Amino acid sequence: DAKTTQPPSMDCAEGRAANLPCNHSTISGNEYVYWYRQIHSQGPQYIIHGLKNNETNEMASLIITEDRKSSTLILPHATLRDTAVYYCIVRGNNYGQNFVFGPGTRLSVLP
Amino acid sequence: GAVVSQHPSWVICKSGTSVKIECRSLDFQATTMFWYRQFPKQSLMLMATSNEGSKATYEQGVEKDKFLINHASLTLSTLTVTSAHPEDSSFYICSARPGVGGETQYFGPGTRLLVL
Repeated sequence: DAKTTQPPSMDCAEGRAANLPCNHSTISGNEYVYWYRQIHSQGPQYIIHGLKNNETNEMASLIITEDRKSSTLILPHATLRDTAVYYCIVRGNNYGQNFVFGPGTRLSVLP
Repeated sequence: GAVVSQHPSWVICKSGTSVKIECRSLDFQATTMFWYRQFPKQSLMLMATSNEGSKATYEQGVEKDKFLINHASLTLSTLTVTSAHPEDSSFYICSARPGVGGETQYFGPGTRLLVL
C-alpha cells in the first residue's frame, strides 16, 4: 500500500503557483520523498525528491516539514501543460526498494 | 535527464498471440528495471522487478509464465505477454534505475496493448 495520502484533485489558475500537499506521517528516517507526474497517456516524469531539506530545481520546489510528516510540491507558475496526475511517493534508497504509486492528485490548470 | 524508451508505443493483436515489448535505457546503464501495468483511471501497479543477468522477481498475483521478462543487458529489458487475452489489454510502462540502489527511477513512455 502507498504510504502517502494526497487530495484526489485540485484546480489552479494558469500563471499562479500550484501547491500540491502530501501527507506521509509514517515516513521513516531513511525514506525519501519523491514526486512524479503523469500526463495523460504518457509514462511518469520525475520532478524532484528530497530527504529533509527543501529542494528546488528547474521544474519545482519541494518543501518538507521539519517533522517530515508532510510535504508540498510547488509549481511556481503553472501552465496548461502542467495539467497531470501528480504522485507523491515515499521510498527508502536501499537496493530493491520499489516505488509504490497511490492514486495521486489530478491537477487541472485552468486558463 | 536520463532517457528510457519503449517499443512499440502501441500494439493491437489477436487473442492468443504473444506480444513483446522492449524497454531501453538510452544514456545510462540500468542494473534494475521495473515493469508496471496501468488500467484506465487507475494508478500504476508494479508487475515485476528485473535485474540484469538474473531471473525477474514477480509481484503477488502476476503470472510469471504469462509475462516473461528478460533483462539480458544493462540497457535492455523485454516483457513478453504470452497468449494474450482481452483482459491483458492495458498500458504497460517500464522504468530503469541507474546503478545499484539510491537512485531515482526513470520511466519509459509506455506501451498501450489492445487485445482483440
